[in-house]
Amino acid sequence: GNSVTQMEGPVTLSEEAFLTINCTYTATGYPSLFWYVQYPGEGLQLLLKATKADDKGSNKGFEATYRKETTSFHLEKGSVQVSDSAVYFCALSEGGSRLTFGEGTQLTVNP
Amino acid sequence: GAVVSQHPSWVICKSGTSVKIECRSLDFQATTMFWYRQFPKQSLMLMATSNEGSKATYEQGVEKDKFLINHASLTLSTLTVTSAHPEDSSFYICSVTQGVNQPQHFGDGTRLSIL
Repeated sequence: GNSVTQMEGPVTLSEEAFLTINCTYTATGYPSLFWYVQYPGEGLQLLLKATKADDKGSNKGFEATYRKETTSFHLEKGSVQVSDSAVYFCALSEGGSRLTFGEGTQLTVNP
Repeated sequence: GAVVSQHPSWVICKSGTSVKIECRSLDFQATTMFWYRQFPKQSLMLMATSNEGSKATYEQGVEKDKFLINHASLTLSTLTVTSAHPEDSSFYICSVTQGVNQPQHFGDGTRLSIL
């Protein structure tokens, strides 16, 4: 079956530091890949997505590239802000709307 | 603006009470709605998939008589936690989608606390 594995958290960074959150996946076909962000006490918001190999999703300074050869979709941001503190979920969807989520990675950015 | 409205955002009630949570799609007709449960510091667990006008499809291990789902229209789905007990305390989140291969849009969640 499908699965998503994220790097374990929590991750703590200083403001303006570089961020990488690793995500790898297992799927039988060609999934769409997503990053969602969850702020405290809220639901999930779609951060970015990629639907095919070599696509790069980007939003609010975050980027992730769909790497079929390494089955990865790592999230990066060049300079994080305190307001980026949240939980980040990697997810995939294959052949429909159903999402398979990773475990989530808690990010804390200190001023 | 918000795509999904979930209500209420916080419920505290006594054991044995039934609680209804509403999920409304504000921007489009949602052919499919999903209900998730999230435990503290954990990922989302899919409880059921709800299609308008048909019975919900429940995930393995989720009691359909305990968690009643009604998807009466293309913009509204409800989750009723019947005879709730403390172990049902959790964060419940709904999501909506326009169709196959379309992104899910999530509500802000409902924190349910059973005393």
